[in-house]
Amino acid sequence: SQQGEEDPQALSIQEGENATMNCSYKTSINNLQWYRQNSGRGLVHLILIRSNEREKHSGRLRVTLDTSKKSSSLLITASRAADTASYFCAGGSNYKLTFGKGTLLTVNP
Amino acid sequence: EAGVAQSPRYKIIEKRQSVAFWCNPISGHATLYWYQQILGQGPKLLIQFQNNGVVDDSQLPKDRFSAERLKGVDSTLKIQPAKLEDSAVYLCASSWGGWTSGSMGTDTQYFGPGTRLTVL
Repeated sequence: SQQGEEDPQALSIQEGENATMNCSYKTSINNLQWYRQNSGRGLVHLILIRSNEREKHSGRLRVTLDTSKKSSSLLITASRAADTASYFCAGGSNYKLTFGKGTLLTVNP
Repeated sequence: EAGVAQSPRYKIIEKRQSVAFWCNPISGHATLYWYQQILGQGPKLLIQFQNNGVVDDSQLPKDRFSAERLKGVDSTLKIQPAKLEDSAVYLCASSWGGWTSGSMGTDTQYFGPGTRLTVL
């Protein structure tokens, strides 16, 4: 079963714009992680936010977590063509990660 | 640091044939995972090892899939016999956490490039 559900399923923006992706999950989690997948590099870990954290930054990435609403968001600022990829959230609980279906982000030059 | 290695990268077989995938995790990683990713979906966990013991195989179709992690390092995943619906990318991942770390299975996972399986 899928733990996370990303929204939107697909997003197309221009280079330089910000991209926001949302994730909702069903059960309690220890942490929530975001991964990126493109054809060239496979699945790559981006950022992890623990259940007792509300916001975390890493470079051009900003992640928020609202455990009361069981939701998270990933913001990519000043997007680049190289950010074109699928982005997955994954909820960590019960000794494993459960991935959502992903958001396909296309950044047009 | 070398990443997670997988082979082969691509495999095409006929239905009812058998196939095996190999994974070499990052050195020192206690936990190893096999995921199945069908086109357009997120990865689905098939089996999780901690050293050479199975932690979770609840979503592994045990009538046709098998996996082992000998000596707690390399792992193989086998499908016998394959069905059309097994066409997918099979991803191997590894992570540091063992039972004593408190984060086993939920810490950062490092993925290999995957094996794309096509069953005709």
